[in-house]
Amino acid sequence: AQSVAQPEDQVNVAEGNPLTVKCTYSVSGNPYLFWYVQYPNRGLQFLLKYITGDNLVKGSYGFEAEFNKSQTSFHLKKPSALVSDSALYFCAVRDMSVDSNYQLIWGAGTKLIIKP
Amino acid sequence: DGGITQSPKYLFRKEGQNVTLSCEQNLNHDAMYWYRQDPGQGLRLIYYSQIVNDFQKGDIAEGYSVSREKKESFPLTVTSAQKNPTAFYLCASTDGDGYEQYFGPGTRLTVT
Repeated sequence: AQSVAQPEDQVNVAEGNPLTVKCTYSVSGNPYLFWYVQYPNRGLQFLLKYITGDNLVKGSYGFEAEFNKSQTSFHLKKPSALVSDSALYFCAVRDMSVDSNYQLIWGAGTKLIIKP
Repeated sequence: DGGITQSPKYLFRKEGQNVTLSCEQNLNHDAMYWYRQDPGQGLRLIYYSQIVNDFQKGDIAEGYSVSREKKESFPLTVTSAQKNPTAFYLCASTDGDGYEQYFGPGTRLTVT
């Protein structure tokens, strides 16, 4: 079965330190992978995606993600965290099943807390 | 500005009443989606529509209904049959390539 896992419910990072939010996936074929961010009581905002090409993908607000096919991972990273990065982060993968109409399969979300 | 609007932002209803949540987009997207989000959980798909006058059930369609009479609009009705309707509801759309989804600001429904 196709799935996405975000193994950490919460990640705590001090401001200025690098941050990593983990995501692993299981999907048939080549994956289309996405990261979204959600601030309290708001809709989700698209951060970045991997479709093909360079394994290191750069996105909005200084975030980047590294696609690792052998480890089936797509971890979100930022070199220097800001307090304003505190939010809920979702990883998603496109469902490649024939009858899926290419819906997205969502991870459960990781709460990122950046402490001053 | 192009985007997705959802109204109202907060909605309160008494148990046993049907309620309709609005979702409108001016992105000219064909596909639209409704998700439910509960605290501590990810997004769960309620219904989706790939084209006007056509829609399919998602993972948790029971107690919900939708219509897609216009490309721009995809309203969701939460019926009295939905056992636990209190939640945050998100509408999304996607373009023809079906890559990233664009989300509205959400509607928080509270049923008492």
